[in-house]
Amino acid sequence: GENVEQHPSTLSVQEGDSAVIKCTYSDSASNYFPWYKQELGKGPQLIIDIRSNVGEKKDQRIAVTLNKTAKHFSLHITETQPEDSAVYFCATIKSDSWGKLQFGAGTQVVVTP
Amino acid sequence: DTAVSQTPKYLVTQMGNDKSIKCEQNLGHDTMYWYKQDSKKFLKIMFSYNNKELIINETVPNRFSPKSPDKAHLNLHINSLELGDSAVYFCASSQGGTSEQFFGPGTRLTVL
Repeated sequence: GENVEQHPSTLSVQEGDSAVIKCTYSDSASNYFPWYKQELGKGPQLIIDIRSNVGEKKDQRIAVTLNKTAKHFSLHITETQPEDSAVYFCATIKSDSWGKLQFGAGTQVVVTP
Repeated sequence: DTAVSQTPKYLVTQMGNDKSIKCEQNLGHDTMYWYKQDSKKFLKIMFSYNNKELIINETVPNRFSPKSPDKAHLNLHINSLELGDSAVYFCASSQGGTSEQFFGPGTRLTVL
């Protein structure tokens, strides 16, 4: 089955600096790669996603890159703010699995003022 | 407007009891899911329903039984609760299988 590895498990950054989280996956049939943000006591919320026919996508301070050959994708957050502090999850969906999200283990991001 | 809602938010119960968690979505989606998040924050899919039909059933004990009375509701019934069932359970919904999944606020289940 699909295996999604996520690094690092914790990330502490100074406000204003950039944060990068990396994920690798094993199944080449994966074709949808969302990133979720989970704040304390809340459900995960989609912040950005990318499909396998695209190499990069950007939304304001957040960007995702996908390298299908190497089977890895990354989340980049620029100009971090204290409200970016949360747990971030990468995930994949295979083309033949109906909505079956396979999550990485999560990254606890702490942005210090 | 609450997109995906779950009740109750907290559930504390004794081992051996039977309990239910309810989920409703008002997004008009055709697919609903149950996920389990363990104490280490790891999220794993349990079940998925599309138009009231079960399409994903991961390796979950048969003490867990989902029920979808209509497209907007997906309930989870758990029989003979065990200590290891303690977790946060999230309901989610999406339109189709490869679009954004919207998660509910979660139900924290504690089995004593």
